[in-house]
Amino acid sequence: QVHLVESGGGVLQPGRSLRLSCAASGFTFSNYGMHWVRQAPGKGLEWVAVIWSDGSKKYYPDSVKGRFTISRDNSKNTLYLQMNSLRAEDTAVYYCARDDSNLGNALDMWGQGTMVTVSS
Amino acid sequence: QSVLTQPPSVSAAPGQKVTISCSGSSSNIENNYVSWYQQLPGTAPKLIIYDNNERPSGIPDRFSGSKSGTSATLGITGLQTGDEADYYCETWDSSLSVVVFGGGTKLTVL
Repeated sequence: QVHLVESGGGVLQPGRSLRLSCAASGFTFSNYGMHWVRQAPGKGLEWVAVIWSDGSKKYYPDSVKGRFTISRDNSKNTLYLQMNSLRAEDTAVYYCARDDSNLGNALDMWGQGTMVTVSS
Repeated sequence: QSVLTQPPSVSAAPGQKVTISCSGSSSNIENNYVSWYQQLPGTAPKLIIYDNNERPSGIPDRFSGSKSGTSATLGITGLQTGDEADYYCETWDSSLSVVVFGGGTKLTVL
């Protein structure tokens, strides 16, 4: 059974850094692109980053470009999101999601999310 | 301000049909596959439509998707109270090289 489990969230002050992890199981992790998607309290979904299956390409929206870095360790079946220079507007639940190219690159599996709160 | 535009809310009675629109542009919806996600209160999003109109296994045929030009539509027939959720469209924007989501539509089954 496919499982994605995020961890690493917490409460921290503006300007600090945090690294999120997403542990994958139940599928061949190295065959799939992976995304981070976030959701601020009471708001809609906002895409944060994508990384190709082999890690060769990464894309970000302007809102996090230069501050966030997505990476993966296929030997550990783990996805990461390094978040630097955090701002109050980065407060959100962060989800990792699997990208299935056989389904038109839809995000077919999601983790349960981890909460990040940025506050002074 | 989302790149993809959805109505904030829709409502209908149990057993009825509802449609949710998603409007975009030639750089996103028109030339890329559209997916739809259902997010029940307090849970993670769940894929319900991919490739514009395909349903993953386990998704009932009450859910359907379509696309025409720069717009996509999610249809739900035979509404049930359990369908009350937020629904999001999503696709790739080829000009921006980013994934884009609609702002979400809250479905209320009266």
